[in-house]
Amino acid sequence: EAEVAQSPRYKITEKSQAVAFWCDPISGHATLYWYRQILGQGPELLVQFQDESVVDDSQLPKDRFSAERLKGVDSTLKIQPAELGDSAMYLCASSLGSGEGDEQFFGPGTRLTVL
Amino acid sequence: KQEVTQIPAALSVPEGENLVLNCSFTDSAIYNLQWFRQDPGKGLTSLLLIQSSQREQTSGRLNASLDKSSGRSTLYIAASQPGDSATYLCAVSTDSWGKLQFGAGTQVVVTP
Repeated sequence: EAEVAQSPRYKITEKSQAVAFWCDPISGHATLYWYRQILGQGPELLVQFQDESVVDDSQLPKDRFSAERLKGVDSTLKIQPAELGDSAMYLCASSLGSGEGDEQFFGPGTRLTVL
Repeated sequence: KQEVTQIPAALSVPEGENLVLNCSFTDSAIYNLQWFRQDPGKGLTSLLLIQSSQREQTSGRLNASLDKSSGRSTLYIAASQPGDSATYLCAVSTDSWGKLQFGAGTQVVVTP
């Protein structure tokens, strides 16, 4: 069964260091999403790609976060420098991208702890 | 701005009882509504997707209804089992690109 892959699963870093997360969506899915989930809350969208183009990054803290999907397949989310408040679960999801509100499928997430 | 609310935040039921989980949203202009399950420390598993033109969707012991006009969805889980213990999240798609707005979830415990 096709799945969204993410790595690493866990990351511990110190404040002011750089971190990067990787996501490989389900093959053939044009839309890729990065969400952040703080403990006890629902996920919130950080950035959304349609193929290699950014569709929505209105909630991405652009002074420290960056995201890319250069070839329209896998994607990297980077934080530099990390802050204590960035500790959260970072979730990647993908969908077909037909523009009809397709079902989203999520990866296992990366749990980030900033010390 | 769309707001999604799930009440109660936590629920405990004995095994075999039917589960009823509620989700409400403030703006009825949605493309679809999706229910997810999340186990502790894990990602989200899609349970059911209801398109805006549909009234309900069923999969096995799960049934979800959608009433757009009143801004409500209900997830029914029949004959609950301890393995159903998890957090259940609902999310609405607010644009054609599929951006999801999530509720905070209902944490369910099914006791043997």
